[in-house]
Amino acid sequence: DGGITQSPKYLFRKEGQNVTLSCEQNLNHDAMYWYRQDPGQGLRLIYYSQIVNDFQKGDIAEGYSVSREKKESFPLTVTSAQKNPTAFYLCASSTWGGYTFGSGTRLTVV
Amino acid sequence: SQQGEEDPQALSIQEGENATMNCSYKTSINNLQWYRQNSGRGLVHLILIRSNEREKHSGRLRVTLDTSKKSSSLLITASRAADTASYFCATDAATGGFKTIFGAGTRLFVKA
Repeated sequence: DGGITQSPKYLFRKEGQNVTLSCEQNLNHDAMYWYRQDPGQGLRLIYYSQIVNDFQKGDIAEGYSVSREKKESFPLTVTSAQKNPTAFYLCASSTWGGYTFGSGTRLTVV
Repeated sequence: SQQGEEDPQALSIQEGENATMNCSYKTSINNLQWYRQNSGRGLVHLILIRSNEREKHSGRLRVTLDTSKKSSSLLITASRAADTASYFCATDAATGGFKTIFGAGTRLFVKA
């Protein structure tokens, strides 16, 4: 079945550590996105990519980095510069018909 | 500023009743989408309505769009306990390049 796979499901980060969240899709979608969701709130856009080897900052890109070397993959790195990284991270891809989301990664700073 | 804003923030109903959620937005749109999110999971696309459409149906879901009032509503008929989730609207702006904005969502609780 086509879909988006995010891993890991849960991730714990120590202060000052960089961590990378994985996102893979087999839907053959050109566009991919990373969103952050805080408790009881909507989604805020971190980064998006509309084509391989190109990506754009979203509304809250500071402290995050991405790469898009392959159409299927769009990993997100949460760097030590992100001071409040504890959140639920959602990866998505899209066509004209709407977004398909992964199951999310819950990141907690310990 | 927030584009899509859902109302109410939370809704609690009995199984079998209808649930209505509203979404308001500020700028012209190409389309509006509704998504569902179960606790701790990703969002699932429910329905997309284009700016030139006024109403769409999908099973027990009915979506209306009033572009003159910049608002949309999602009606879930004959609700079930399994409909308990958060529901989000998302709007694709008609101008200004890529911009899909998600609202903060309505939390629906259906009591069995």
